[in-house]
Amino acid sequence: QSVLTQPPSTSGTPGQGVTVSCSGSSSNIASNAVNWYQQFPGTAPKLLMYRNNQRPSGVPDRFSGSKSGTSASLAINGLQSEDEADYYCAVWDNSLNSLVFGGGTKLTVL
Amino acid sequence: QVQLVQSGTEVKKPGASVKVSCKASGYTFTSYAVHWVRQAPGQSLEWMGWINAGNGDKHCAQRFHDRFTLTRDTSASTAYMELSSLTSEDTAVYYCARNPLTTIDLDYWGQGTLVTVTS
Repeated sequence: QSVLTQPPSTSGTPGQGVTVSCSGSSSNIASNAVNWYQQFPGTAPKLLMYRNNQRPSGVPDRFSGSKSGTSASLAINGLQSEDEADYYCAVWDNSLNSLVFGGGTKLTVL
Repeated sequence: QVQLVQSGTEVKKPGASVKVSCKASGYTFTSYAVHWVRQAPGQSLEWMGWINAGNGDKHCAQRFHDRFTLTRDTSASTAYMELSSLTSEDTAVYYCARNPLTTIDLDYWGQGTLVTVTS
């Protein structure tokens, strides 16, 4: 049972937009910056978004992040087949004094 | 370019210990922290702990507190994690990841080390 709640799966067709949500609490998302990671099967996670809405160099601007209160979201516009992956939110939790990850959302591009 | 290269696959018996290395290159090792994250088969990511490669300060998740050891060798730009009293629940891919210290983002990751615990 993850401290952060994500939908297990989502899907979209090429060109569409999708949003992945991440729900937390006052001790994590409401208090600290949220990061997002993208993971393809059999590979290591990759930093996709940091400090809620900052894209590392090389990440397309089709990806955007936002945060409000105890929730955060990752939006992907103009879906492409190569976006099919697992997406994880992560944030420091002040109560647990630990970095916590969401359960992950599997994105399928139909 | 920044690289984190981890040691190879391990197979251990229940009750044993495992030590995984993470060799860094392409940046100043002592200016960053190294975090360890694991992923059991088909599961999400689980954070285990971190070590400041510069001053050696470390912190780990409470659930691993008594059987998880983090060390580093600055002369070799290598971080190590050791997990003892292994059970089948510890079967997972273990990742190291670089952290800029001032934030909590993990910006570069190792390739992962599969640890299988089986009798």
